[in-house]
Amino acid sequence: AQSVAQPEDQVNVAEGNPLTVKCTYSVSGNPYLFWYVQYPNRGLQFLLKYITGDNLVKGSYGFEAEFNKSQTSFHLKKPSALVSDSALYFCAVRYRRNNAGNMLTFGGGTRLMVKP
Amino acid sequence: DAGVTQSPTHLIKTRGQHVTLRCSPISGHKSVSWYQQVLGQGPQFIFQYYEKEERGRGNFPDRFSARQFPNYSSELNVNALLLGDSALYLCASSLWGDEQYFGPGTRLTVT
Repeated sequence: AQSVAQPEDQVNVAEGNPLTVKCTYSVSGNPYLFWYVQYPNRGLQFLLKYITGDNLVKGSYGFEAEFNKSQTSFHLKKPSALVSDSALYFCAVRYRRNNAGNMLTFGGGTRLMVKP
Repeated sequence: DAGVTQSPTHLIKTRGQHVTLRCSPISGHKSVSWYQQVLGQGPQFIFQYYEKEERGRGNFPDRFSARQFPNYSSELNVNALLLGDSALYLCASSLWGDEQYFGPGTRLTVT
């Protein structure tokens, strides 16, 4: 079975400071890893994904994530936070296997609060 | 291009009733997945359909069913509603094996 852990319910950061939202995963075999963001009363928006290759993945809105296989982590980062980044962030994993479909397993989410 | 659309946006049902939620995928996407997001939690996978066939099912009771139509739109049906079915129901579309794009969701309240 695959699982995702987001150990922080909330992350607080001042505008202009770097931010990190943590994610660890557990899956048999090689994973596909994703980050999504959710604004109030909205669906999830895709930010970035890791499939293979370079461990540092760049995504939308200046976000990036670093895949660390030995630590089974996929932390989301941004060099300089904006107030508009305040939202709920979800990490997700999909088992990479033929015919495994697109079933995503999500973490519980981390609320990011960026203060002016 | 239009994104994933879902209808209705909100609805309120009574325990024991039946509900049908609808989803239209992004043009060209043949895969539709359904997720349930209970308040304060991450989304939980319910179903995936591809080319009108069920390709995956999550750990949900048989009260939950779905289907996909020839135009790749999809319906999620829930029978005998329980209070615990109150949630945001998200539909996502994708090309097979690619990242999923989510709709705005349907907020279901069961009273």
